Amino acid sequence: NAGVTQTPKFRILKIGQSMTLQCTQDMNHNYMYWYRQDPGMGLKLIYYSVGAGITDKGEVPNGYNVSRSTTEDFPLRLELAAPSQTSVYFCASRIGTGGVNQPQHFGDGTRLSIL
Amino acid sequence: DAKTTQPNSMESNEEEPVHLPCNHSTISGTDYIHWYRQLPSQGPEYVIHGLTSNVNNRMASLAIAEDRKSSTLILHRATLRDAAVYYCILRDVAGGGSNYKLTFGKGTLLTVNP
Repeated sequence: NAGVTQTPKFRILKIGQSMTLQCTQDMNHNYMYWYRQDPGMGLKLIYYSVGAGITDKGEVPNGYNVSRSTTEDFPLRLELAAPSQTSVYFCASRIGTGGVNQPQHFGDGTRLSIL
Repeated sequence: DAKTTQPNSMESNEEEPVHLPCNHSTISGTDYIHWYRQLPSQGPEYVIHGLTSNVNNRMASLAIAEDRKSSTLILHRATLRDAAVYYCILRDVAGGGSNYKLTFGKGTLLTVNP
């Protein structure tokens, strides 16, 4: 029962570098989400996807890109890392059927520092 | 989206009940009340949800006021493992919308004393 798996768990980047945060789920969920959580704050939605090939912006998409080529994977790309992107990033998924009250399942996060 | 208000922090003793309040005075008739919690260094996890009636599951109970302007998450016997940030979130099921996103506030930090 792997659920939602995020890699890496920790990463330090230099300003201007790029990287991809990986997220994969083995529950055959249609919906997937990327959130970021700054210290002492709640989570903010970056991007989401309702199925393979379909993505859309959340509240704070600037500086990020996503793709969804398969049901299982939803990588998040940072092209030019900035100190403001230092945060903990969470990926989540939920089943596409059963109504809006189906819960989201979260990974354990990627802790990213940009120096 | 209708907003929720929660205390910043609460303390409890181990093996005692905990009542975590949430105010949502602008709740609409189609808003469900969801609770998630976030253990230290982990992602959030679903706890419970309800609309009008009180709800119970293996993790907790949810008591909803008759006018639905407030609700209370009840942990019947707190353990050290229940120390977490608890988020009260409203989910609007009206009007469709395919994102089904969650809007997180700051939540309530629950400390459980041994």
